[in-house]
Amino acid sequence: AQSVAQPEDQVNVAEGNPLTVKCTYSVSGNPYLFWYVQYPNRGLQFLLKYITGDNLVKGSYGFEAEFNKSQTSFHLKKPSALVSDSALYFCAVSPYGQNFVFGPGTRLSVLP
Amino acid sequence: DARVTQTPRHKVTEMGQEVTMRCQPILGHNTVFWYRQTMMQGLELLAYFRNRAPLDDSGMPKDRFSAEMPDATLATLKIQPSEPRDSAVYFCASAQPEDRDEKLFFGSGTQLSVL
Repeated sequence: AQSVAQPEDQVNVAEGNPLTVKCTYSVSGNPYLFWYVQYPNRGLQFLLKYITGDNLVKGSYGFEAEFNKSQTSFHLKKPSALVSDSALYFCAVSPYGQNFVFGPGTRLSVLP
Repeated sequence: DARVTQTPRHKVTEMGQEVTMRCQPILGHNTVFWYRQTMMQGLELLAYFRNRAPLDDSGMPKDRFSAEMPDATLATLKIQPSEPRDSAVYFCASAQPEDRDEKLFFGSGTQLSVL
């Protein structure tokens, strides 16, 4: 069975500083990995995905994520945080689009 | 701009009443998911369908919840009878894995309050 862990409930970062939101996963076979973002009173929005290829994946709004197979991690990163990045971030794993399993979410607060 | 449409956006009802939530997936998407989001449990998968057939509904309380896809443009989630513990935001999402896109498109959710 697949599972996703996001070890931090909350991440606080100052505007302009780099940010990292952590994710580790457990899945049999090759993972399809995703990051989604949720703004207040909205559904989740796709940010980026890793299926195969380059371990560094670039996505929307300047976000990127690094796939590390040996550490079974897929951390979300951004070089310079904006206040508007404040939201709830979800890591997800899906075997071939069959069944998406989401992590518990990490609330990112970017402080001005 | 293709999007997943959920109705109603908000529903307030009394315990014991039937609740029906509707979802229109993106045209052409053949996979539909129902999720429930609460502060305590986070995002829980309730059920999902592929080509209108239920593939997994193990996350759904069978005694009161039911999910169907009467046709390719409509998915429904019913609760009968509703209970206060069902209060949550219910999200529908659709996907088209065969497009090699493999990402979910979420609706805006139905905020359910059972009094």
